[in-house]
Amino acid sequence: EVQLVESGEGLVQPGSSMKLSCVASGFTFSNYGMNWIRQAPKKGLEWIALIYYDSSSKYYADSVKGRFTISRDNSKNTLYLEMNSLRSEDTAMYYCAKRSYRGFDYWGQGVMVTVSS
Amino acid sequence: DIQMTQSPASLSASLEEIVTITCQASQDIGNWLSWYQQKPGKSPQLLIYGATSLADGVPSRFSGSRSGTQYSLKISRLQVEDIGIYYCLQAYSAPFTFGSGTKLEIK
Repeated sequence: EVQLVESGEGLVQPGSSMKLSCVASGFTFSNYGMNWIRQAPKKGLEWIALIYYDSSSKYYADSVKGRFTISRDNSKNTLYLEMNSLRSEDTAMYYCAKRSYRGFDYWGQGVMVTVSS
Repeated sequence: DIQMTQSPASLSASLEEIVTITCQASQDIGNWLSWYQQKPGKSPQLLIYGATSLADGVPSRFSGSRSGTQYSLKISRLQVEDIGIYYCLQAYSAPFTFGSGTKLEIK
């Protein structure tokens, strides 16, 4: 059974940093690209980052480029999102999602990140 | 960047009714279009991929179609369990983009 489990939820002050993790199981993690998607309260889905299966390429939404870094450790079946210079508008539920030819076929349960003073 | 224009923003329909949601891509994305259903308090779930292929376990009343750069999701006979918010996603070219969502309610 495919599972994606995010962690790192919390409340942080504006300008601070935070790191999210997503542990994968039930599939060969090192064969698939992975994504982070977020959803602000009562808002729609926003794709924010993609990393290729071998970390050879990374892409970001303009809203997070230069502040967020996506990475992965295939030996640990883990995806990461390092978030710096956090702003109130980064407050959202953050999901990791597996990418396949079928689209984003599996999603984690999400973790809430709140940026507030 | 590719824009996805989704309509309608909300939709109220009766049980057993046919429902159609559309997404218009700002440029050619081929069949790199997928549809997702999100129920309240839950993670999104894949419904349709490759514009027209049904994801595993998804009821056959859901279908997807494409006409040029316009993509549609059809629910042939609306059921109570279909309420939620529906999103399209283009994964043709990064940055990937979701449509703005369609909130589906039962009349």
